[in-house]
Amino acid sequence: EAQVTQNPRYLITVTGKKLTVTCSQNMNHEYMSWYRQDPGLGLRQIYYSMNVEVTDKGDVPEGYKVSRKEKRNFPLILESPSPNQTSLYFCASSLKSGQGSNQPQHFGDGTRLSIL
Amino acid sequence: KNQVEQSPQSLIILEGKNCTLQCNYTVSPFSNLRWYKQDTGRGPVSLTIMTFSENTKSNGRYTATLDADTKQSSLHITASQLSDSASYICVVSENTNAGKSTFGDGTTLTVKP
Repeated sequence: EAQVTQNPRYLITVTGKKLTVTCSQNMNHEYMSWYRQDPGLGLRQIYYSMNVEVTDKGDVPEGYKVSRKEKRNFPLILESPSPNQTSLYFCASSLKSGQGSNQPQHFGDGTRLSIL
Repeated sequence: KNQVEQSPQSLIILEGKNCTLQCNYTVSPFSNLRWYKQDTGRGPVSLTIMTFSENTKSNGRYTATLDADTKQSSLHITASQLSDSASYICVVSENTNAGKSTFGDGTTLTVKP
């Protein structure tokens, strides 16, 4: 089954304790992206990757890191989490992105992070 | 600055009724407009995708329209069902190398029996 898998689905942790949210897709998609969703603000892009070893900042990248060492995985790293990073996070992938691409994004089911 | 505005913010209708959700955008250059459905606790799922040359696209009881001149889109839901209760998100992408997408804040639809 074609899917985007995020882990963990829920996490409660404390300020400053490094954490990683994993994202994996099995559709051989080139494009992957991370979003956060907060009440009243909609989905905001954190980082995206056009292909392996190609990553770029989205609208709200501060406090986050990503890597794209292989096509299927796109982990989101919070080196020193803070309470303002408490949010619902979504990973998404699509076959391609950019000019001429009309591909839908496939989203994972989300990771709810609470930073105390 | 590219923006996508959706209205209404929330809507309550009775099962079996029709409804229409609106999306206005200022994204330029325009590539495509997508409507997603997001159930509570789940990730968004694509309903329709429309390019500049398409002015209507259907997916079952969902019909999206696009007026690229006025930069407006609508999502019409026919004969609503309880399972249509969800958030509906309008997303507009740029026709650039990165194809950046701008998301609307969504319309929360509640269908009551």
